[in-house]
Amino acid sequence: DQQVKQNSPSLSVQEGRISILNCDYTNSMFDYFLWYKKYPAEGPTFLISISSIKDKNEDGRFTVFLNKSAKHLSLHIVPSQPGDSAVYFCAASANNNRKLIWGLGTSLAVNP
Amino acid sequence: KAGVTQTPRYLIKTRGQQVTLSCSPISGHRSVSWYQQTPGQGLQFLFEYFSETQRNKGNFPGRFSGRQFSNSRSEMNVSTLELGDSALYLCASSRGLQNTEAFFGQGTRLTVV
Repeated sequence: DQQVKQNSPSLSVQEGRISILNCDYTNSMFDYFLWYKKYPAEGPTFLISISSIKDKNEDGRFTVFLNKSAKHLSLHIVPSQPGDSAVYFCAASANNNRKLIWGLGTSLAVNP
Repeated sequence: KAGVTQTPRYLIKTRGQQVTLSCSPISGHRSVSWYQQTPGQGLQFLFEYFSETQRNKGNFPGRFSGRQFSNSRSEMNVSTLELGDSALYLCASSRGLQNTEAFFGQGTRLTVV
């Protein structure tokens, strides 16, 4: 049973527009969430994280929003660039247990 | 600063054999985690080592084992390989147990035939 779900396997966006990647979770004990980006033939790269005490964290073009009541988080990329084309993974952990639970990923294609 | 190094990059083994994968973390990082990535299951946590001790374990059979050395380098061993063990095995390092930002290696692509 997937505790972290990324229901959109793929997303296509025009360069310059906003990319919104969604992630839902089922375990209410999760209190730390991370987004990773993965290019082909490379390991995932940490992008941005958010603790459950916040509802928003921003880093440059990347913003993560957390809605605890809906058990939902989203990653916004504005403006999207062709170099953002990659697979994006959402991951979560509970009570400082560092065992990260991962979603299956969303493949983002940013078209020039 | 060198990144996380995994060797070998690619490996082909036959069913029943055993395999050892190696991971050298970023200098100064003491925590090493191992993951299995398959198309259908995504990234699945195998185990985490810190200061030569296994601190966390995922839901994998006992055929999957690991260890960490005093220099923080880690090895993962899979015995009695099965076809379903074919996957990308990723290693991630981080400074300590309290820091969940992990840096990944490029992975070892294991194919079991």
